[in-house]
Amino acid sequence: GENVEQHPSTLSVQEGDSAVIKCTYSDSASNYFPWYKQELGKRPQLIIDIRSNVGEKKDQRIAVTLNKTAKHFSLHITETQPEDSAVYFCAATELRGGADGLTFGKGTHLIIQP
Amino acid sequence: GAVVSQHPSWVICKSGTSVKIECRSLDFQATTMFWYRQFPKQSLMLMATSNEGSKATYEQGVEKDKFLINHASLTLSTLTVTSAHPEDSSFYICSARGVNTQYFGPGTRLTVL
Repeated sequence: GENVEQHPSTLSVQEGDSAVIKCTYSDSASNYFPWYKQELGKRPQLIIDIRSNVGEKKDQRIAVTLNKTAKHFSLHITETQPEDSAVYFCAATELRGGADGLTFGKGTHLIIQP
Repeated sequence: GAVVSQHPSWVICKSGTSVKIECRSLDFQATTMFWYRQFPKQSLMLMATSNEGSKATYEQGVEKDKFLINHASLTLSTLTVTSAHPEDSSFYICSARGVNTQYFGPGTRLTVL
């Protein structure tokens, strides 16, 4: 089955700086890579996703890059703000006519220092 | 986006009792739903895939006789934790399968005393 590794486990950055979280996956069949933001006791919120037919996707301050050859994808948050503080999870799955069960990374606790 | 609800949002029960958690897709039909478990300060782990009208598919290491899943309609899947023990205390989150993504429910916090 799929295995997703995520680093770092904790990331502290100054407000306004950029944050980068990295994930690797093992199953070359995986073709869908979402990123979720989770606040304590709440459901994961999809913040951005990317499919294997593109290498980069951007949505305002958030971007994701994908390197299929290296089986590596990253989340980039620019101009970080206090409300960006949360736990971020990457995930991977193979879309087969619909979204299948996700394999999650272990999460990154992002701390934005004022 | 699509809306998925869960009930109850939290439950406390005694060891040895059974607890049922409901997951509903409110504005779309979901032939497939997923159940995840999340222990404190850990990631979400897929427990099982729930398919409407057929048996659930369980991930390795998840006891199917302990975590009973029923998906009797296109908008409802239930997870029953049977003979619950303190180690079953966790955050249980369901999600409903969409074409290109999954829609998560708000989660159910289970505490077994």
